[in-house]
Parts: sequence; structure tokens; C-alpha cells
Amino acid sequence: ETGVTQTPRHLVMGMTNKKSLKCEQHLGHNAMYWYKQSAKKPLELMFVYNFKEQTENNSVPSRFSPECPNSSHLFLHLHTLQPEDSALYLCASSQYGGRPNTGELFFGEGSRLTVL
Amino acid sequence: GQQVMQIPQYQHVQEGEDFTTYCNSSTTLSNIQWYKQRPGGHPVFLIQLVKSGEVKKQKRLTFQFGEAKKNSSLHITATQTTDVGTYFCAGGIRQLTFGSGTQLTVLP
Repeated sequence: ETGVTQTPRHLVMGMTNKKSLKCEQHLGHNAMYWYKQSAKKPLELMFVYNFKEQTENNSVPSRFSPECPNSSHLFLHLHTLQPEDSALYLCASSQYGGRPNTGELFFGEGSRLTVL
Repeated sequence: GQQVMQIPQYQHVQEGEDFTTYCNSSTTLSNIQWYKQRPGGHPVFLIQLVKSGEVKKQKRLTFQFGEAKKNSSLHITATQTTDVGTYFCAGGIRQLTFGSGTQLTVLP
């Protein structure tokens, strides 16, 4: 039980599909994040939302579209992905965001995405 | 852009041996955090260091932050099989940049 819940845990999709990843945090945090974890690569920050406002977009391709309707929920909409997008997508939350001291990140268990 | 490098990439130790992973940043960091990710799991926060030269201990784990706030280390004394996993450092000014991690294997 991490306090950050991600669904689905596993997802297989074709390159023409549209799917969404969902993240919910029960910690009362103000900031939420999407990270990508590929084999043999560091965790890559994709998006940051602070008080529902996007404060960071790390040059992520437009086939990934985030949505943050409130401070507790975060979505990642996926469209026309490529096989190289296969990875573990981790959602995280923290008390603060976009400041020098974000505080610790609480990660969800991740959504394992396979693009065929 | 900011880079955080971590060595070694892999480390195999016999149970009871010590283990150290090193983290180096291309820029001065405001703070450094350490995370552990068990195989098949997600990263879990271990500790945050903020002050220059800071040393913190958690049981068998010792964390150090360099005087120049550009490097850090994690040392585990007398490793146990429960220490298996990948250890990541993360630091930054505005947002955290993660190192590539050190994958620790502990042989019984």
C-alpha cells in the first residue's frame, strides 16, 4: 500500500490504439509526476503538475498527453505510440512541486506498457 | 542540462560484505535524495540530504553529501539478502534528476 495507486498495472496496445493510464494519490499532496523507466536507463521525468497546473514538460512527444483534473488524480493519455515507448510508467506525488526542495517522492507501483 | 552520474552500474557482493555506490552531479545540488527499488517494485524513498558535508545513518546504511554539494555516496555495512535491489540517487535545483542506479546483488 503506497498511497499512490496506478491502473492498469499492465497494458498491451497496438500502435494505432488509444489508451489511458490513471494515477490517484491519497496523501493530500500538491504535486504529481509522470516518470518513464526503460531498461538500462535512468528514470526520466515526463510531466509535473503542481496544484493542477502543468509546470514541467520535458520535451515529451505529443503522443503522450497528460491530464490533471485535480490534485489527487493524474492521467496519461496514449495515442499512436511506438514500440520504443514500451516501458514502466511511474506516477509519483510529493508535498511540493517545482521548488528547490520538492520533498520525497511517493511512487505508485507503475503501469507496465508494451506497444506492439 | 543537469546530469547525475552513478557508479558502479552493477555490484555483486557476498552476504556480509560492504557495498558503496557513488553519485556525481555536473552542477551543484540543492539537495540529494536516495531511493531503493526492489526487483519488480517501485522506487521507495530512503533519505534526503541538504547540508554540505552532511552524514546520515540508518542502521547499516550511511549516506554522505559532499562538501561542494556535487557528489554523494551510500554505504551499506555487512550486506544482507534483503538489501538486494537498485539504489538511485536523485538531485536537482528545480526538479529531481535521477542517476542511472546501482543494481546490487547479494549472494548468500
